[in-house]
Order: sequence, then structure tokens, then C-alpha cells
Amino acid sequence: DAKTTQPTSMDCAEGRAANLPCNHSTISGNEYVYWYRQIHSQGPQYIIHGLKNNETNEMASLIITEDRKSSTLILPHATLRDTAVYYCIVRVAGGVRDDKIIFGKGTRLHILP
Amino acid sequence: NAGVTQTPKFQVLKTGQSMTLQCAQDMNHEYMSWYRQDPGMGLRLIHYSVGAGITDQGEVPNGYNVSRSTTEDFPLRLLSAAPSQTSVYFCASSYGREAFFGQGTRLTVV
Repeated sequence: DAKTTQPTSMDCAEGRAANLPCNHSTISGNEYVYWYRQIHSQGPQYIIHGLKNNETNEMASLIITEDRKSSTLILPHATLRDTAVYYCIVRVAGGVRDDKIIFGKGTRLHILP
Repeated sequence: NAGVTQTPKFQVLKTGQSMTLQCAQDMNHEYMSWYRQDPGMGLRLIHYSVGAGITDQGEVPNGYNVSRSTTEDFPLRLLSAAPSQTSVYFCASSYGREAFFGQGTRLTVV
């Protein structure tokens, strides 16, 4: 089973920041938080990941709480092209043997014009 | 550098037929996996491999076989197709960070 809980759907106005929450209260110390998105019926696309520090890249920011039991993905200026299903995943990764990737149901994000 | 390549993109099978979905990656990734996605659902892990010669079952392995004889290839075999296997199949590969997904194979079993 997936180790994360996400809202089923969210709306966000175009140009505003989209904040997608994720609960992972049973996360282990060696598990990373990953975010992927799936636009329409394409293959999922990697967005960002982190262990315990906040992370930022060209696509998004990831805020992880100090106790690591929850996180928030932030799309700073949402556009219509950001309409997708967003998946939060916890996974042991790095090194020779990566852990399997288990997807939950994700959050369907609608960007409203 | 083509990334993850899946073939075919579309396939129609009759119940009871067998076929192999191909997946190849050119990034020298150790980890590869297969998922299925049914309409309106998330991705469910079928089988995965952490390196050549090593495979393991995922969440929904029944009806599917895999093997990993090379780092590059990870084929998924349907031994006797059933209508319940109608789905979109995604292959993925990764090493240590992000996973890369293929564009999917849309399979219909009639």
C-alpha cells in the first residue's frame, strides 16, 4: 500500500501558487519524499524530491516539516499546463539498490483560467 | 539518448493470446519496473527489478511474467491474456534519484 495520503482534488487560479499537501506520518529515517505528476495519459514526470531539508528547483519547491510527517509541494506561479495528477511518494533511494516505487491515488490539480 | 522506450504503443489481443511488451532504456539504470493504470486510477506496480538477473513481484503480479537478462531490457509477458488485463502499461527506470517513464502501451483484450 502507498504510505502517503493526499487530497483527491484541488483547484488553483492561474498565476497563483498551488500548494499541494501530503501526509506521510509513517515515513522512515532513510526514506525520501518524491513528487511526480502525470499530465493526461502521459507517463509520470519527476518533479522534485527531498529528505529533510526544503528543496527548490526550476519546477517547484518542496517543504518538509521538521518531524518529516508531512510535506507540501509548491508550484509558485501555476499555469494551465500544470493541470495534472500529482503523486507524493516515499521511497528509499540512492546507491546500488533502489527501493520500489509505490504510487497512491494522487491529487488531481485543476488550474482555473 | 532515447530514455525509456516502450513498444508497441497500441495492441489489441484476443482472450487467451500471449504477448510480450517491450521496454528498453539506454541510461544504464539498474532499477526498472512495470506498472498498469486503469481508467481513473493511479499506477499499480506489477513487477520490478533492481538489476540484471533479479526480479521481484509488485502489487499486482498475477498473470504477468518478467525477466531481466540485460541491464537495458525488461520485457513484460502476458501468458494468457484476459479482458481484466485491458489497461495502459508503463515501464520505468531509475538510479538513485528520479525515475524516467516510457510513454505507455495501451493494451485492449477482447
